[in-house]
Amino acid sequence: KAGVTQTPRYLIKTRGQQVTLSCSPISGHRSVSWYQQTPGQGLQFLFEYFSETQRNKGNFPGRFSGRQFSNSRSEMNVSTLELGDSALYLCASSLEQGAADGYTFGSGTRLTVV
Amino acid sequence: SQQGEEDPQALSIQEGENATMNCSYKTSINNLQWYRQNSGRGLVHLILIRSNEREKHSGRLRVTLDTSKKSSSLLITASRAADTASYFCATDWEYGNKLVFGAGTILRVKS
Repeated sequence: KAGVTQTPRYLIKTRGQQVTLSCSPISGHRSVSWYQQTPGQGLQFLFEYFSETQRNKGNFPGRFSGRQFSNSRSEMNVSTLELGDSALYLCASSLEQGAADGYTFGSGTRLTVV
Repeated sequence: SQQGEEDPQALSIQEGENATMNCSYKTSINNLQWYRQNSGRGLVHLILIRSNEREKHSGRLRVTLDTSKKSSSLLITASRAADTASYFCATDWEYGNKLVFGAGTILRVKS
């Protein structure tokens, strides 16, 4: 079966712009989580969506937002980009909320802010 | 701050040797998971151990969990060059549906 698909794979944006990243979970998975990975802060939780509702949110500013559609696909948006937003953004899907059996991650979107 | 702390930060071994990585965490958990990441790509789920389990095996992987010490270890036996990667422990926090990751251990297996 197809894995978690993240698009685009690479992105270069200018400071102050906004960006939208997309994640298609494994078919049948209803939970989608987003993580940011940077060399300085490591892997940090952004938010989790389940059945189109945000269930949990990490400690990120309001510039970071997301949503989930009825087909479980998810998007995250970052507005007013800052240099520090440069990171690998990873999406993870699981069958149910909380992933009692582990998460399946996508290959990530590498965002560079210049 | 990240809940999980891992040691060592980096480990270099010869092919065929065993590799042991340790992870400590701070709060109550539902389960603890180990993931592998190759060259800044996506994370691959390796193994999950629940809070009421003490040891689990999967192929060449052995994971232990000591909830009294809030620590876990991952043992990779008979390592191969293909095992070269970063390894992360992640705790599924008891009071929320999110993973809290450690800083990771960079493993290099020399052939």
